[in-house]
Parts: sequence; structure tokens; C-alpha cells
Amino acid sequence: QKEVEQNSGPLSVPEGAIASLNCTYSDRVSQSFFWYRQYSGKSPELIMSIYSNGDKEDGRFTAQLNKASQYVSLLIRDSQPSDSATYLCAAPFLVGYGGSQGNLIFGKGTKLSVKP
Amino acid sequence: SQTIHQWPATLVQPVGSPLSLECTVEGTSNPNLYWYRQAAGRGLQLLFYSVGIGQISSEVPQNLSASRPQDRQFILSSKKLLLSDSGFYLCALNIAKNIQYFGAGTRLSVL
Repeated sequence: QKEVEQNSGPLSVPEGAIASLNCTYSDRVSQSFFWYRQYSGKSPELIMSIYSNGDKEDGRFTAQLNKASQYVSLLIRDSQPSDSATYLCAAPFLVGYGGSQGNLIFGKGTKLSVKP
Repeated sequence: SQTIHQWPATLVQPVGSPLSLECTVEGTSNPNLYWYRQAAGRGLQLLFYSVGIGQISSEVPQNLSASRPQDRQFILSSKKLLLSDSGFYLCALNIAKNIQYFGAGTRLSVL
């Protein structure tokens, strides 16, 4: 298993629906996770971080972490066309597990399309 | 607040030509700085990171090098570009533990 894996999509949802973006991870990463949004042709911007098991809500965004299943997700409620972007999941490498200690490793991203 | 300046925004270079991309940051001192590349259809790949002046760690052996001549300056270079060097180059800054903030990026096309 790769350290951080995402379904590349595209994921298409109608406006107003809930978009669910998923990310699985290996034992080689630390269990703190970051969701970045990247609009086409632009650089990634951080939208959510989650460090502990359970849910974290911020406006229309909810991040969910399930450590037992090694699974982290991002839910976007009331999806808007402006949410159409690629969403990147990232986590830092665990110390001593190869890679650069503490540096982030990114999934390949899931492309979300919200149809009006 | 911290800001990152990257230039140029786009660049078209012939195969075999040299490359120099510059990243400068403001609003912080002694930052951890990163160079990433995002190739078409691929994920974000960490190329180099630096924890201080003159300190460079390479993540992936390749046709590129990096330097940090000043605290807030990070430079990505190549002596001879390859077609495979095409991509979106991003400079990033650690603004808190494991939280990275990205510059606007340089889109490089090698022809």
C-alpha cells in the first residue's frame, strides 16, 4: 500500500449534494492529516486539518478520521460549483519510517466536479 | 503574515537549457522551505527541503539541484533540462508544525 492513497475520480455531484472524498494511509505516516484544495492551474491551499479520531467540522466541511480503519475523509455539505477542484490528502511521515521525518507526503488527489 | 514569491509564473525552455527558479519568503525567519513538482496527471512530489542557509536535503535523485544562499531565499536549478522536467513547480513554507503554505508556482514546459 502506498503511504497515502486517494481515488483520482473524477467525482461528480449535483449542486447542493454532499461530496465525500476519501483517503487511506499506511503505517508509515503519522496520524495527523491535512486536506488541501487545488483549483485548476493554481497552487494547493489548506482547508482542513485533523489530528484525532472522530469528526472535525468547519463550516460546510467535515473531516473524519478513523484510525482503526486507517481512513480519513472530507465531506462537503451543500456542494457549490465553486467547490469544483482537486482535493489532496496529506500526512507527515512517521519518524524512523523512511522518507523525510515529519515532511508531508501527498496523495494524488481526487478531482471533484459540482454540477449546477 | 508570511508570503511566498515565486517567479516566473510560466516558463518555456528548450531541452538542454539551464534552469533557475527562485522562491523568496517574507514575514518569517529561519523557515523550513520546500520545492515540489507536480507533473501532469501525477501527484505532488517533494524534490528538496531546507531547514536553514546552506542546508539542502534531496528527496529524489534527478536532474535538479537546490540552494539556499539566504535565510529567505530558495533556488531550484538545473544545468540541462530534460523533457521529463516539465511540470508545475511549487515552493512551500512551514507555517506551523507540518502545515505548509504554497507559493503560486511556476509552470515549466520543456520542449
